[in-house]
Amino acid sequence: SYELTQPPSVSVSPGQTARITCSGDALPKKYAYWYQQKSGQAPVLVIYEDTKRPSGIPERFSASTSGTVATLSISGAQVEDEADYYCYSTDSSGNHRVFGGGTKLTVL
Amino acid sequence: QITLKESGPTVVKPTHTLTLTCTFSGFSFTTAGVSVGWLRQPPGKALEWLGVIYWDDEKQYSPSLKSRLAITKDTSKNQVVLSLTNMGPVDTGTYYCAPYYYYDTYGGGYFDSWGQGTLVTVSS
Repeated sequence: SYELTQPPSVSVSPGQTARITCSGDALPKKYAYWYQQKSGQAPVLVIYEDTKRPSGIPERFSASTSGTVATLSISGAQVEDEADYYCYSTDSSGNHRVFGGGTKLTVL
Repeated sequence: QITLKESGPTVVKPTHTLTLTCTFSGFSFTTAGVSVGWLRQPPGKALEWLGVIYWDDEKQYSPSLKSRLAITKDTSKNQVVLSLTNMGPVDTGTYYCAPYYYYDTYGGGYFDSWGQGTLVTVSS
């Protein structure tokens, strides 16, 4: 099987930059995707193909990948950004498509 | 506008089979390249990829569920059906369907515009 590892929680004050990491052995070869899930709601795609932002997603959301670690950054985090964030990717074969364990972002 | 909605039972007995339907609008399996996937989330836990079905009826399943899972489609009704046999307590969770946008069939793709999800509880 394949695993993506995220920190369980990240906490920042409003206006600060929040960074959430996702570690996986195949990330140098496979794209990372990031989802935001607010309480009681379905996940929303915030980053695709490592660094691209879908239309409608605020510019404060950005991402990068270096080696086996993908990082989601939220610059000038706002209270409304409080949510669970999940990375998603696949192993080298494509057979195991997995989500990370999720990171709870607290902004207060 | 793309919309999807999951429907089916809210409670399933242990060892029974779960059947869920995803009804969508805004796209069609008559278009080459279209794909829809199923995902789930146990209460308070992480998301899990279950499987996808492509416009040409090709299917891919999570290795951990492959023996119990089947995904089919009804092109004329714009529906995708999930069947999961031998349900157990670990299968309790919210089940989602979503369009799968892919550039290869080796895991290169992602889900967007998810349905609202439907909570399924396994209980006798």
